[in-house]
Amino acid sequence: DAGVIQSPRHEVTEMGQEVTLRCKPISGHNSLFWYRQTMMRGLELLIYFNNNVPIDDSGMPEDRFSAKMPNASFSTLKIQPSEPRDSAVYFCASSGLAGSTDTQYFGPGTRLTVL
Amino acid sequence: AQTVTQSQPEMSVQEAETVTLSCTYDTSENNYYLFWYKQPPSRQMILVIRQEAYKQQNATENRFSVNFQKAAKSFSLKISDSQLGDTAMYFCAFMKNNNDMRFGAGTRLTVKP
Repeated sequence: DAGVIQSPRHEVTEMGQEVTLRCKPISGHNSLFWYRQTMMRGLELLIYFNNNVPIDDSGMPEDRFSAKMPNASFSTLKIQPSEPRDSAVYFCASSGLAGSTDTQYFGPGTRLTVL
Repeated sequence: AQTVTQSQPEMSVQEAETVTLSCTYDTSENNYYLFWYKQPPSRQMILVIRQEAYKQQNATENRFSVNFQKAAKSFSLKISDSQLGDTAMYFCAFMKNNNDMRFGAGTRLTVKP
């Protein structure tokens, strides 16, 4: 079975540009999570969805960040405009049981570099 | 707020030996879940083991086992017969029933030949 799929794997952009990260969760999973990993702050939960509905976005750092989940098999995390401090690895994870606690399975991550 | 503390930034172990990674957490919840994830240089986050707080029996997955001490809020990971492929960052994580998962800062483990 395919795991969580993220694209692109690497993204290099210039400050001020719009960046869109993409995630396909494991088929049948109902919860999707976006995390950011930096050396300074470690792994942080940005937002998560249950059944395509955003449940908790308190981890989203600023209004420059937005996330959508238009259907059960696709989610995006957008940064507009991007800044150098947004440079990090962004992970998407999914789990099987919406509204319940289940193990989260992670994608390979997107390494974002903002120059 | 829940916090997860991994007090060992780095550890090393000889191949085939046993190593224990420490994790403590702070919570007022009674029902929760604990995890250990492994992140090798490929940066993929890989689930190692999971423990439900309501279970008294310590979880075991092949060479990996945990020592879960609920009263002490401690959740250590023991790796037996260490292998070179175990070299990675190891993250302890705490999750409440609402799927909000919090990670520790990680322990970098090096297995030496």
